[in-house]
Amino acid sequence: ELKVEQNPLFLSMQEGKNYTIYCNYSTTSDRLYWYRQDPGKSLESLFVLLSNGAVKQEGRLMASLDTKARLSTLHITAAVHDLSATYFCAVGDDMRFGAGTRLTVKP
Amino acid sequence: DSGVTQTPKHLITATGQRVTLRCSPRSGDLSVYWYQQSLDQGLQFLIQYYNGEERAKGNILERFSAQQFPDLHSELNLSSLELGDSALYFCASSVARDRVSRTEAFFGQGTRLTVV
Repeated sequence: ELKVEQNPLFLSMQEGKNYTIYCNYSTTSDRLYWYRQDPGKSLESLFVLLSNGAVKQEGRLMASLDTKARLSTLHITAAVHDLSATYFCAVGDDMRFGAGTRLTVKP
Repeated sequence: DSGVTQTPKHLITATGQRVTLRCSPRSGDLSVYWYQQSLDQGLQFLIQYYNGEERAKGNILERFSAQQFPDLHSELNLSSLELGDSALYFCASSVARDRVSRTEAFFGQGTRLTVV
Protein backbone atom coordinates (compact mmCIF):
# COMPACT_ATOMS: atom_id res chain seq x y z
CA GLU A 1 0.00 0.00 0.00
CA LEU A 2 1.20 3.47 -0.86
CA LYS A 3 2.62 5.39 2.09
CA VAL A 4 3.08 9.14 1.97
CA GLU A 5 5.29 10.87 4.51
CA GLN A 6 5.69 14.58 5.00
CA ASN A 7 8.21 16.39 7.11
CA PRO A 8 8.33 18.41 9.10
CA LEU A 9 4.83 18.07 10.54
CA PHE A 10 5.10 21.44 12.26
CA LEU A 11 7.09 24.41 11.04
CA SER A 12 7.42 27.81 12.62
CA MET A 13 9.19 30.36 10.49
CA GLN A 14 10.15 33.99 10.70
CA GLU A 15 8.89 36.28 7.99
CA GLY A 16 11.43 36.71 5.23
CA LYS A 17 13.07 33.30 5.74
CA ASN A 18 13.23 30.37 3.35
CA TYR A 19 12.34 26.78 4.08
CA THR A 20 11.50 23.48 2.38
CA ILE A 21 8.78 20.92 3.10
CA TYR A 22 9.46 17.34 2.00
CA CYS A 23 7.08 14.68 0.73
CA ASN A 24 8.30 11.10 0.36
CA TYR A 25 6.22 8.25 -1.00
CA SER A 26 6.72 4.53 -1.01
CA THR A 27 5.70 3.26 -4.45
CA THR A 28 6.16 4.46 -7.98
CA SER A 29 3.80 7.21 -9.06
CA ASP A 30 3.88 9.70 -11.89
CA ARG A 31 1.67 12.31 -10.30
CA LEU A 32 1.84 14.35 -7.17
CA TYR A 33 -0.34 17.16 -5.87
CA TRP A 34 0.14 19.91 -3.31
CA TYR A 35 -2.78 21.40 -1.41
CA ARG A 36 -3.23 24.15 1.12
CA GLN A 37 -5.78 24.12 3.94
CA ASP A 38 -6.61 27.08 6.16
CA PRO A 39 -8.06 26.29 9.62
CA GLY A 40 -11.67 25.14 9.39
CA LYS A 41 -11.65 25.44 5.61
CA SER A 42 -11.55 23.14 2.63
CA LEU A 43 -8.47 22.18 0.62
CA GLU A 44 -7.21 24.38 -2.17
CA SER A 45 -5.12 23.00 -5.01
CA LEU A 46 -1.66 24.57 -5.34
CA PHE A 47 0.32 22.45 -7.78
CA VAL A 48 0.01 19.40 -9.98
CA LEU A 49 3.29 17.66 -10.84
CA LEU A 50 3.02 15.02 -13.54
CA SER A 51 6.53 14.06 -14.59
CA ASN A 52 10.02 13.51 -13.29
CA GLY A 53 11.83 16.81 -12.92
CA ALA A 54 8.65 18.86 -13.02
CA VAL A 55 8.97 22.23 -11.34
CA LYS A 56 6.16 24.70 -10.80
CA GLN A 57 6.17 28.09 -9.13
CA GLU A 58 3.45 30.37 -7.89
CA GLY A 59 4.43 33.46 -5.97
CA ARG A 60 6.62 32.50 -3.02
CA LEU A 61 6.00 28.77 -3.43
CA MET A 62 7.87 26.40 -5.70
CA ALA A 63 7.22 22.67 -6.00
CA SER A 64 9.36 20.01 -7.62
CA LEU A 65 9.12 16.28 -8.25
CA ASP A 66 11.80 13.59 -8.44
CA THR A 67 10.02 10.35 -9.31
CA LYS A 68 13.20 8.30 -9.12
CA ALA A 69 13.81 9.36 -5.53
CA ARG A 70 10.04 9.32 -4.85
CA LEU A 71 10.38 12.78 -3.41
CA SER A 72 8.66 16.10 -3.85
CA THR A 73 9.63 19.38 -2.24
CA LEU A 74 7.66 22.54 -1.57
CA HIS A 75 10.04 25.45 -1.17
CA ILE A 76 8.95 28.64 0.52
CA THR A 77 10.85 31.81 -0.32
CA ALA A 78 10.79 34.92 1.88
CA ALA A 79 7.83 33.72 3.91
CA VAL A 80 4.98 36.08 4.77
CA HIS A 81 2.24 35.72 7.37
CA ASP A 82 -0.40 34.95 4.71
CA LEU A 83 1.35 31.66 3.98
CA SER A 84 0.42 30.32 7.42
CA ALA A 85 -1.69 27.21 6.74
CA THR A 86 -1.41 23.43 6.58
CA TYR A 87 0.18 22.07 3.42
CA PHE A 88 -0.54 18.58 2.15
CA CYS A 89 0.96 16.49 -0.58
CA ALA A 90 -1.10 13.78 -2.24
CA VAL A 91 0.16 10.99 -4.47
CA GLY A 92 -1.28 8.70 -7.10
CA ASP A 93 -4.47 8.22 -8.99
CA ASP A 94 -6.48 7.67 -5.83
CA MET A 95 -4.83 10.66 -4.14
CA ARG A 96 -3.38 9.37 -0.88
CA PHE A 97 -2.48 12.27 1.39
CA GLY A 98 0.44 12.88 3.68
CA ALA A 99 -0.17 13.95 7.27
CA GLY A 100 0.28 17.60 6.42
CA THR A 101 2.76 20.28 7.49
CA ARG A 102 1.33 22.98 9.72
CA LEU A 103 3.19 26.16 8.83
CA THR A 104 3.17 29.22 11.05
CA VAL A 105 4.91 32.36 9.84
CA LYS A 106 5.73 34.81 12.59
CA PRO A 107 6.53 38.51 12.15
CA ASP B 1 -16.10 28.14 -4.88
CA SER B 2 -14.72 24.83 -6.12
CA GLY B 3 -17.98 23.76 -7.73
CA VAL B 4 -18.24 20.67 -5.50
CA THR B 5 -21.31 20.80 -3.27
CA GLN B 6 -21.66 18.84 -0.06
CA THR B 7 -24.75 18.61 2.09
CA PRO B 8 -25.42 18.98 4.90
CA LYS B 9 -22.69 21.29 6.17
CA HIS B 10 -23.21 20.25 9.78
CA LEU B 11 -24.77 17.14 11.26
CA ILE B 12 -25.25 16.19 14.90
CA THR B 13 -26.52 12.73 15.68
CA ALA B 14 -26.51 10.13 18.44
CA THR B 15 -24.41 7.01 18.72
CA GLY B 16 -25.89 4.02 16.95
CA GLN B 17 -27.65 6.12 14.33
CA ARG B 18 -27.22 6.16 10.55
CA VAL B 19 -26.58 9.21 8.39
CA THR B 20 -26.13 9.94 4.69
CA LEU B 21 -23.75 12.57 3.36
CA ARG B 22 -24.28 13.84 -0.14
CA CYS B 23 -21.84 15.15 -2.72
CA SER B 24 -22.49 16.79 -6.08
CA PRO B 25 -19.30 16.89 -8.16
CA ARG B 26 -18.25 19.68 -10.48
CA SER B 27 -20.07 19.65 -13.78
CA GLY B 28 -18.44 17.10 -16.07
CA ASP B 29 -16.29 15.45 -13.41
CA LEU B 30 -16.57 11.67 -13.45
CA SER B 31 -14.44 10.80 -10.44
CA VAL B 32 -15.49 11.31 -6.82
CA TYR B 33 -13.35 10.80 -3.73
CA TRP B 34 -14.37 10.65 -0.08
CA TYR B 35 -12.05 11.56 2.79
CA GLN B 36 -12.34 11.67 6.55
CA GLN B 37 -10.42 14.33 8.44
CA SER B 38 -10.11 14.10 12.18
CA LEU B 39 -7.75 15.88 14.53
CA ASP B 40 -5.67 12.86 15.40
CA GLN B 41 -5.60 11.01 12.08
CA GLY B 42 -5.20 13.64 9.40
CA LEU B 43 -6.88 13.23 6.01
CA GLN B 44 -7.83 9.59 5.48
CA PHE B 45 -8.80 8.33 2.04
CA LEU B 46 -12.01 6.34 2.20
CA ILE B 47 -13.12 5.48 -1.32
CA GLN B 48 -13.06 6.61 -4.93
CA TYR B 49 -15.70 6.19 -7.63
CA TYR B 50 -15.35 6.69 -11.33
CA ASN B 51 -18.45 7.00 -13.50
CA GLY B 52 -20.55 4.94 -11.12
CA GLU B 53 -18.01 2.22 -10.39
CA GLU B 54 -15.84 1.78 -7.35
CA ARG B 55 -12.28 2.58 -8.36
CA ALA B 56 -10.22 2.40 -5.19
CA LYS B 57 -10.88 1.69 -1.56
CA GLY B 58 -8.92 2.99 1.40
CA ASN B 59 -9.41 2.64 5.12
CA ILE B 60 -13.17 2.57 4.98
CA LEU B 61 -14.93 0.80 7.82
CA GLU B 62 -17.48 -1.93 7.10
CA ARG B 63 -20.10 0.28 8.79
CA PHE B 64 -19.53 2.83 6.02
CA SER B 65 -20.65 2.48 2.44
CA ALA B 66 -20.81 4.72 -0.58
CA GLN B 67 -22.16 4.81 -4.08
CA GLN B 68 -22.14 7.02 -7.14
CA PHE B 69 -25.38 7.43 -9.03
CA PRO B 70 -26.00 7.72 -12.80
CA ASP B 71 -26.19 11.52 -12.48
CA LEU B 72 -22.69 11.28 -10.89
CA HIS B 73 -23.63 12.55 -7.47
CA SER B 74 -22.37 10.42 -4.62
CA GLU B 75 -23.54 9.47 -1.17
CA LEU B 76 -21.58 8.25 1.82
CA ASN B 77 -23.60 6.24 4.31
CA LEU B 78 -22.37 5.91 7.86
CA SER B 79 -24.16 3.49 10.16
CA SER B 80 -23.96 2.32 13.78
CA LEU B 81 -22.22 5.58 14.50
CA GLU B 82 -19.66 5.81 17.27
CA LEU B 83 -18.18 8.80 19.04
CA GLY B 84 -14.94 8.26 17.15
CA ASP B 85 -16.69 8.81 13.83
CA SER B 86 -16.97 12.51 14.63
CA ALA B 87 -14.93 14.23 11.95
CA LEU B 88 -14.99 16.44 8.90
CA TYR B 89 -15.92 14.45 5.80
CA PHE B 90 -14.75 15.82 2.48
CA CYS B 91 -15.80 14.95 -1.00
CA ALA B 92 -13.62 15.82 -3.99
CA SER B 93 -14.10 15.44 -7.71
CA SER B 94 -11.82 15.37 -10.71
CA VAL B 95 -12.15 15.19 -14.47
CA ALA B 96 -10.68 11.70 -15.05
CA ARG B 97 -12.07 11.39 -18.55
CA ASP B 98 -9.95 8.37 -19.44
CA ARG B 99 -10.05 6.54 -16.08
CA VAL B 100 -6.67 8.01 -15.32
CA SER B 101 -6.89 11.26 -13.43
CA ARG B 102 -4.43 13.71 -14.92
CA THR B 103 -5.72 16.73 -13.08
CA GLU B 104 -6.09 17.65 -9.47
CA ALA B 105 -9.21 17.02 -7.46
CA PHE B 106 -11.38 19.89 -6.25
CA PHE B 107 -12.74 19.69 -2.75
CA GLY B 108 -16.12 20.54 -1.34
CA GLN B 109 -16.55 22.49 1.88
CA GLY B 110 -17.04 19.33 3.90
CA THR B 111 -19.67 17.96 6.24
CA ARG B 112 -18.87 18.27 9.91
CA LEU B 113 -20.32 15.25 11.69
CA THR B 114 -20.64 15.26 15.45
CA VAL B 115 -21.71 12.06 17.16
CA VAL B 116 -22.96 12.54 20.71
